[in-house]
Amino acid sequence: AQSVTQLDSQVPVFEEAPVELRCNYSSSVSVYLFWYVQYPNQGLQLLLKYLSGSTLVESINGFEAEFNKSQTSFHLRKPSVHISDTAEYFCAVRQAGGFKTIFGAGTRLFVKA
Amino acid sequence: DTEVTQTPKHLVMGMTNKKSLKCEQHMGHRAMYWYKQKAKKPPELMFVYSYEKLSINESVPSRFSPECPNSSLLNLHLHALQPEDSALYLCASSQAGVSNYGYTFGSGTRLTVV
Repeated sequence: AQSVTQLDSQVPVFEEAPVELRCNYSSSVSVYLFWYVQYPNQGLQLLLKYLSGSTLVESINGFEAEFNKSQTSFHLRKPSVHISDTAEYFCAVRQAGGFKTIFGAGTRLFVKA
Repeated sequence: DTEVTQTPKHLVMGMTNKKSLKCEQHMGHRAMYWYKQKAKKPPELMFVYSYEKLSINESVPSRFSPECPNSSLLNLHLHALQPEDSALYLCASSQAGVSNYGYTFGSGTRLTVV
């Protein structure tokens, strides 16, 4: 079975500051890792995913995540956040060959002016 | 078309009512999902359809009845719900048989049971 732990339930940060949202996973089999973002009153949107190869993956809006196999982590970072980045961020894991995606509890990123 | 469309966006129903939630996608995805999300919680999987067949039922009460009439449509029929069933119901789709493919989610139906 897989599990996902997001270490921070809320992360307040000032605009233009860097941010890191932490995610650790546990699995006895190969998994794929994802970050989703949910803006207020909306569904989830895929932000980025790690499949294989380079351990650093980037999204089109400036976020990046680094896969660390030895620490079983997949932390999300952005060097400079905007007010519009305020949202709930979910880390997720899916077993290779499996149907189910397991979501972490979520981290609410709150960007202050 | 890269969207998943859910209707209605909001629904208020009594405990004796019967209603249905609808989800539609035209991306050629053959896997479709229903998730339930309570406030400030992650989505919880309810059902998975693969190639129009029910693959996973996460022990969901029978008052929730899914249906996949064709490869583009997914319905969730509701009957005799309880107030604790009030939540955001999210539909998602993805490529079937490709576990490294992310999901495309709809905006959800916010359900209130009174």
